[in-house]
Amino acid sequence: NAGVTQTPKFQVLKTGQSMTLQCAQDMNHNSMYWYRQDPGMGLRLIYYSASEGTTDKGEVPNGYNVSRLNKREFSLRLESAAPSQTSVYFCASRSPGARFTNTEAFFGQGTRLTVV
Amino acid sequence: AQRVTQPEKLLSVFKGAPVELKCNYSYSGSPELFWYVQYSRQRLQLLLRHISRESIKGFTADLNKGETSFHLKKPFAQEEDSAMYYCALRGGGSQGNLIFGKGTKLSVKP
Repeated sequence: NAGVTQTPKFQVLKTGQSMTLQCAQDMNHNSMYWYRQDPGMGLRLIYYSASEGTTDKGEVPNGYNVSRLNKREFSLRLESAAPSQTSVYFCASRSPGARFTNTEAFFGQGTRLTVV
Repeated sequence: AQRVTQPEKLLSVFKGAPVELKCNYSYSGSPELFWYVQYSRQRLQLLLRHISRESIKGFTADLNKGETSFHLKKPFAQEEDSAMYYCALRGGGSQGNLIFGKGTKLSVKP
């Protein structure tokens, strides 16, 4: 059971470089998310996609772009990396239903990004 | 405003001691709450959800609407419980995104 798969697991970038973080899920979930995790800040939502073809900003979208390529894949792009984007990035997916139904989010293993 | 507050960044206890990780929420409706756990360098995973009223790995959490709390408890901590714990609230609206607290790092000493 692959669940949610992220690539790469580690990345070091120089300031100003660009890169794309890849995420794929095999659970046929409609919703996908990108979070960043920073010490003392918890998980903060960057962008999300409620369904294929739609994306919306989360709490901290500046400096990022996303693409929901198809139902399985949701990528996060840093166009010009900055040291403030050094973080651990998590992709998640969920099949949101009515309230108080099974709405568990499944997470990828994370991408540890360092921008120098 | 929809918000989750975990007041403790770090909680350190000895093996066998009781544990309580605090979580308070702000939500203008019936809240739907979860606890997620992240063991060292692993992915986050669901620990329990309030609607299930279940006990997982000896942990329980009771929703207290009067105090707007959803504290996580375990009567006897084990070393393998050491991890980051995140309380999460399902937000409002049709999408209902998860809103996470800042997390509490639990350290269980031998």
